[in-house]
Amino acid sequence: NAGVMQNPRHLVRRRGQEARLRCSPMKGHSHVYWYRQLPEEGLKFMVYLQKENIIDESGMPKERFSAEFPKEGPSILRIQQVVRGDSAAYFCASSLARALGTDTQYFGPGTRLTVL
Amino acid sequence: AQSVTQLGSHVSVSEGALVLLRCNYSSSVPPYLFWYVQYPNQGLQLLLKYTSAATLVKGINGFEAEFKKSETSFHLTKPSAHMSDAAEYFCAVTEPPNAGGTSYGKLTFGQGTILTVHP
Repeated sequence: NAGVMQNPRHLVRRRGQEARLRCSPMKGHSHVYWYRQLPEEGLKFMVYLQKENIIDESGMPKERFSAEFPKEGPSILRIQQVVRGDSAAYFCASSLARALGTDTQYFGPGTRLTVL
Repeated sequence: AQSVTQLGSHVSVSEGALVLLRCNYSSSVPPYLFWYVQYPNQGLQLLLKYTSAATLVKGINGFEAEFKKSETSFHLTKPSAHMSDAAEYFCAVTEPPNAGGTSYGKLTFGQGTILTVHP
């Protein structure tokens, strides 16, 4: 059973460009979480999605950031008009369900975004 | 609101020595607690988790952690360090599903502790 897949693993963008980060959850998982790891900081929660629904986006910056998890295909984290402060490692995690015993979050390898 | 404090951003031990990584939490409800390990340029791997069952939790690679409510702590230990244990370790907390809040599923992480193992 393949783990959580993220691509690209490394992404370089110039200021003002758009960045699209993809996350394919583990097979059978319908819950996806995005976290951001800024340099010298721990991971910070960004957004929690289920298929076609955003459940909790309390950690998402109000502007330029958006996320989706369509019925078919991977979850996408989109950053418009990137700035240097967006440079970070972005991790996706998935879980089977939001219930006792099945809620362990499994993390992908991350996408390392560098904004020039 | 929940928070996690990991005491010591860097811990260095000799191979074969005891590993002790400290984690204290703050939560308005009894939390679920986790330890994750991150090897360079990789994602996070779950070591162990506490979900209100036994207070002493055993995980992978010989690690264990004990939930101490009176001390609001969840320290990670391993009796004998191995070179392959060198990595960054993160303690995390979330609300349990029956807490009635909105934070369930959202992990709050500590700042991380980098473990170095010397030969």
